[in-house]
Amino acid sequence: EAQVTQNPRYLITVTGKKLTVTCSQNMNHEYMSWYRQDPGLGLRQIYYSMNVEVTDKGDVPEGYKVSRKEKRNFPLILESPSPNQTSLYFCAGYPRDTDEKLFFGSGTQLSVL
Amino acid sequence: AQRVTQPEKLLSVFKGAPVELKCNYSYSGSPELFWYVQYSRQRLQLLLRHISRESIKGFTADLNKGETSFHLKKPFAQEEDSAMYYCALSINNAGNMLTFGGGTRLMVKP
Repeated sequence: EAQVTQNPRYLITVTGKKLTVTCSQNMNHEYMSWYRQDPGLGLRQIYYSMNVEVTDKGDVPEGYKVSRKEKRNFPLILESPSPNQTSLYFCAGYPRDTDEKLFFGSGTQLSVL
Repeated sequence: AQRVTQPEKLLSVFKGAPVELKCNYSYSGSPELFWYVQYSRQRLQLLLRHISRESIKGFTADLNKGETSFHLKKPFAQEEDSAMYYCALSINNAGNMLTFGGGTRLMVKP
């Protein structure tokens, strides 16, 4: 069964305190992506990765970093979080054997105080 | 650059009423269009794609290239249809990079 696992599901932090949201997929596919979801703005892509050690900026990359050292993991790093990064974050992968196109994780609700 | 527009942020209908969630896109080539749905506290998941031309949970969507639209329709809304709906467009051959619209929240009242 295709799975994209994000951790944590909920996170409250303070401005400037570095954090990492992990994302792991079991679909053995090269492509992974991070989105943030904000009311009225929908889903916006932060970063994506076409393969190991290959990452590219999406539409809203400022304030974020990612890494892709191995195929299954694609962590999202906020070096110095700010309140405008309070959002719902989704990781997604591209499953092999379905029409799903992008398979999303369950989301991480981040609040930066 | 491609763009997807969902003009309604919120659509509220009564159970049994017809529903149409609007989606317009801008792209000069031949895109692939999708509808994703997010039920409360669940992950975003694919509802349907235009190349399948199938009906999922009573929903259909027809790609109108002349009007560059891909509206989602259902003749009789159910309360369980209440969710957030996103229209999305893919332009690359691999089809795994999507541009999403702003989303429409559908509320079906009893």
